[in-house]
Amino acid sequence: AQKITQTQPGMFVQEKEAVTLDCTYDTSDPSYGLFWYKQPSSGEMIFLIYQGSYDQQNATEGRYSLNFQKARKSANLVISASQLGDSAMYFCAMREAMDSSYKLIFGSGTRLLVRP
Amino acid sequence: GAGVSQSPRYKVAKRGQDVALRCDPISGHVSLFWYQQALGQGPEFLTYFQNEAQLDKSGLPSDRFFAERPEGSVSTLKIQRTQQEDSAVYLCASSLEPGLTQPLHFGNGTRLTVT
Repeated sequence: AQKITQTQPGMFVQEKEAVTLDCTYDTSDPSYGLFWYKQPSSGEMIFLIYQGSYDQQNATEGRYSLNFQKARKSANLVISASQLGDSAMYFCAMREAMDSSYKLIFGSGTRLLVRP
Repeated sequence: GAGVSQSPRYKVAKRGQDVALRCDPISGHVSLFWYQQALGQGPEFLTYFQNEAQLDKSGLPSDRFFAERPEGSVSTLKIQRTQQEDSAVYLCASSLEPGLTQPLHFGNGTRLTVT
């Protein structure tokens, strides 16, 4: 079964507008972490934001915020005031505490294109 | 250097050749991961090291894939008798220590093309 599902292969957003990238996850572990990464065309994976399963508040990092809905097992990334440089692939990932290697499991990604 | 460094950046191999991909993690980082990323897909886990110990190799697709980190710093991923399906970007990532909250810091990857 897919542990991380990103249902939007591609998204468009107008510059300066906000956009939400969807992510749902599947785990039976009560302790887990959720991550979002950005991958520009250069290929480097850039860490954006982290949310822990026990965190009471939604994580925020600058223009990035994570809409964490635990009961629905969703962890959507919200990018406010989109910029042309936000055009990239975005990956949602999860790590489970019961996994002794603490590896990240990634979704298939969403390609975001910001229009001027 | 400040980040994770991988070499070579690009590698073309004829089918059947052996290749070796190198990863220099961030200095002092205990955890090191290798991932394989096919075109248009998310990274897939290959293997994990904690210092020099290879604690998880559950993602290695076949016994043609071998990884080592003998002194707990630099790591090498070796692929023997390469096949066309091995064509992908191989990403190395490190983190300061094992833990739920630790983000992985990735290198730019090695793009392997098997002809």
